[in-house]
Amino acid sequence: QVQLVQSGAEVKKPGASVKVSCKASGYTFTSYYMHWVRQAPGQGLEWMGTINPSGGSTSYAQKFQGRVTMTRDTSTSTVYMELSSLRFEDTAVYYCARSNLYSSAWLTWGQGTLVTVSS
Amino acid sequence: EIVLTQSPGTLSLSPGKRVTLSCRASQSISSNYLGWYQQKPGQAPRLLIYGASSRATGIPDRFSGSGSGTDFTLTISRLEPEDFAVYYCQQYGSSPLTFGGGTKVEIK
Repeated sequence: QVQLVQSGAEVKKPGASVKVSCKASGYTFTSYYMHWVRQAPGQGLEWMGTINPSGGSTSYAQKFQGRVTMTRDTSTSTVYMELSSLRFEDTAVYYCARSNLYSSAWLTWGQGTLVTVSS
Repeated sequence: EIVLTQSPGTLSLSPGKRVTLSCRASQSISSNYLGWYQQKPGQAPRLLIYGASSRATGIPDRFSGSGSGTDFTLTISRLEPEDFAVYYCQQYGSSPLTFGGGTKVEIK
């Protein structure tokens, strides 16, 4: 069955970077876009960006431009989201989700990764 | 950026009731690129509706979506105990992709 399995929870200090992984299985990895969204405690969903695993092209939300990098490894069917210069307000659950096209609904979601920024 | 406004913020209802959730966009959403997601505490969101009115695989037919342009609705015809959750609308027709603030459906 289709699965997106994310890496485990992280605790980071302000100014550090975090890299979250999302391993896909059960489908052709390069045929679906992968999105990243985050959810701060008790808050709504915020799109961070999208990667096309086929060619590696990316589209980032303006808010995160310069701080976020999304990459993929086709040999392991894994996408990565790295967020740098972490701030306390980056504390959130980070989700990956896949879609058929850039402009299509998000069919499958990962289980989420809690990133806590604390001194 | 397309801003999505969901109303109401919270609904308190009893099982068996019919519920209607609203999602209003700040500008027209092209080709009805509007989806609805359900999220329960501690879980990832789950796709319910795509293309404004098409049910995702495995979604019960008590869930239905309607609307076009700037006004969209999610209807649950008869609330089941497992339907108490937060519901989000999302537009995926133009970048940046955006979500509404959510509507919480709680047990009265």
